[in-house]
Amino acid sequence: GQNIDQPTEMTATEGAIVQINCTYQTSGFNGLFWYQQHAGEAPTFLSYNVLDGLEEKGRFSSFLSRSKGYSYLLLKELQMKDSASYLCAVRVSNDYKLSFGAGTTVTVRA
Amino acid sequence: EADIYQTPRYLVIGTGKKITLECSQTMGHDKMYWYQQDPGMELHLIHYSYGVNSTEKGDLSSESTVSRIRTEHFPLTLESARPSHTSQYLCASSANGGLYEQYFGPGTRLTVT
Repeated sequence: GQNIDQPTEMTATEGAIVQINCTYQTSGFNGLFWYQQHAGEAPTFLSYNVLDGLEEKGRFSSFLSRSKGYSYLLLKELQMKDSASYLCAVRVSNDYKLSFGAGTTVTVRA
Repeated sequence: EADIYQTPRYLVIGTGKKITLECSQTMGHDKMYWYQQDPGMELHLIHYSYGVNSTEKGDLSSESTVSRIRTEHFPLTLESARPSHTSQYLCASSANGGLYEQYFGPGTRLTVT
């Protein structure tokens, strides 16, 4: 299996920026995904990185360093609706399955 | 917009009953997955299929079984439900190309009494 580590919880203020880190150890790497999951709901796809660097999508950005086995999801201009769990998932080479981290619960305070 | 459906959304059932959780998608995706997730915990892959008549067990051992007779349909069956099966079950499918990102259904929350 894959070892995927994320912080359990983070709290930030509305309008602020939060960075969620994810480290992974994998035998073969073929992409890293970030998903958002609101309480009691299904995960929804946020971003994908397979090459090193930063991918930006509106208020959300995701970064990958393959040599360090490291990614982060950056949430800017936080809104109350961003309160959710953020899941880091890794795909290994020659397969389509994903291995998920335990998720980081982000709480946005007014 | 992904179209993947699960029924029932909620199910409370007694020990020893046989149950089938339904999952259907209308996107023509070849690859489908079943995950188990306890509250506040990570997703665990229990079954997956890469096409019709192809099914595999996932990383987490499960007493459930699956079938894939049609591309759009991937039901999960528990022959004899037990309280330890109480959990949320999420079905997903992934695109046939591009990023192969997974789209999730709304989930079935199962309680076995």
